[in-house]
Amino acid sequence: KAGVTQTPRYLIKTRGQQVTLSCSPISGHRSVSWYQQTPGQGLQFLFEYFSETQRNKGNFPGRFSGRQFSNSRSEMNVSTLELGDSALYLCASSLAGTSREKLFFGSGTQLSVL
Amino acid sequence: QQQVKQSPQSLIVQKGGISIINCAYENTAFDYFPWYQQFPGKGPALLIAIRPDVSEKKEGRFTISFNKSAKQFSLHIMDSQPGDSATYFCAAIGLVPYSGGGADGLTFGKGTHLIIQP
Repeated sequence: KAGVTQTPRYLIKTRGQQVTLSCSPISGHRSVSWYQQTPGQGLQFLFEYFSETQRNKGNFPGRFSGRQFSNSRSEMNVSTLELGDSALYLCASSLAGTSREKLFFGSGTQLSVL
Repeated sequence: QQQVKQSPQSLIVQKGGISIINCAYENTAFDYFPWYQQFPGKGPALLIAIRPDVSEKKEGRFTISFNKSAKQFSLHIMDSQPGDSATYFCAAIGLVPYSGGGADGLTFGKGTHLIIQP
């Protein structure tokens, strides 16, 4: 069974640009959540989608957005990139998205903002 | 404000020894406490989790101890092996309010970099 797939693996952007990251959950999983990982702040929750609806949102500015498609694949978008957005962005999926169930993480997309 | 405080930041243990990582929290809305293990270049993977109505949970060499009144929990790795060398994160799930809303996702500690020396 394939795991959570995130593309691309690495991205380099410049300040002011926007970026879209993609996540394909494990087959059958309907919940996708996103996390930002930085050396300074650690792992921080961005948002969660379930059945194409954002169900939960962390304390991040509106420049961070996401969506989920009918096949459960998810994308997150960051507009007007800032240097501080450089991070590893992790996607996690779960079956029913109760959040107390097991989350399966992908290997992440490493975003560098220059 | 750091919702989940984890210590130590780094830990070196001899092979066969016991590795102990501690976490503390304040938010009484937290009702589920998982531990994650992360290897370089990989995403975190769930190790073991506990609910606050249980004081201890053991899975193989990994044990979580939970003290609800002290709002503390810890991970013990028995008979630590070089393959256990990784970064470990404690986490908690429950509503965390913030200005303008609240989030019910995983709140992670800052992580412990564990090295098991052969």
